[in-house]
Amino acid sequence: DVKVTQSSRYLVKRTGEKVFLECVQDMDHENMFWYRQDPGLGLRLIYFSYDVKMKEKGDIPEGYSVSREKKERFSLILESASTNQTSMYLCASSIGGVIHNYGYTFGSGTRLTVV
Amino acid sequence: KQEVTQIPAALSVPEGENLVLNCSFTDSAIYNLQWFRQDPGKGLTSLLLIQSSQREQTSGRLNASLDKSSGRSTLYIAASQPGDSATYLCAVSRRGATNKLIFGTGTLLAVQP
Repeated sequence: DVKVTQSSRYLVKRTGEKVFLECVQDMDHENMFWYRQDPGLGLRLIYFSYDVKMKEKGDIPEGYSVSREKKERFSLILESASTNQTSMYLCASSIGGVIHNYGYTFGSGTRLTVV
Repeated sequence: KQEVTQIPAALSVPEGENLVLNCSFTDSAIYNLQWFRQDPGKGLTSLLLIQSSQREQTSGRLNASLDKSSGRSTLYIAASQPGDSATYLCAVSRRGATNKLIFGTGTLLAVQP
C-alpha cells in the first residue's frame, strides 16, 4: 500500500525551539507539499518542492523553511517556533508535471503545539 | 485569485438518506477537482478526482460531478451511513500554478443512526 508517512502524530515544543517535521513518501513522486490546517482558515500551502533540492514558497512561508535532499523526503523546519505556529501540519505528494495531474496523497498529519 | 467555497459548513442527516455536498470555485481555468474526506484529527483521504475534461466520476456510493463553466462541483452520497460522518473537502488545481491545490473550508457531515 503506497503511502505518505509523517514521522510524528503529536509534538509539543517550546517557544524559540528549532522544530523539524519529517515526511517520507514511497511512491517515487516528484512533487511534495507542506500545508497547515487551522479552524476557519482551511488548508494553506506553506512550501512545495517539484524536484530534489528545488523548492518554492507557498502562500504562508514566513517563519518556515524546507529541505529536500532526497526525492522521497521533504522536511519542514520551524526556525524559531512561536505559539502562532500551533497547528495541524499535513504533508502531501503527487506525480510531477503540470499536465498529468493525478491528484494528491496526504499523510496522516502532525499536530504541533508550541507552548 | 481562485477562491473555493463549500456550503453548507455543516450538515446533519438521518442514516439512509441520499445527500449532496456543494463546492464552488471562482476561476474556471482548472486542471482538475479533487474531493477528500477527513476524519477528526487525521489526514486527508482522496475520494474522487475529476479532470477538467470530465463531467463526473463514481466510486461505490459516491458520485462527483463537475460543471467547469459554472464553477461548481457536487458530491453525491447515496444511502448514507454513520461511517460516512467526517469533514468533506474539495480542492481545485489551477492552471499555470505547477500542480498546487486550492482548498475549500469543508463541510462537516454527521449521519445519525
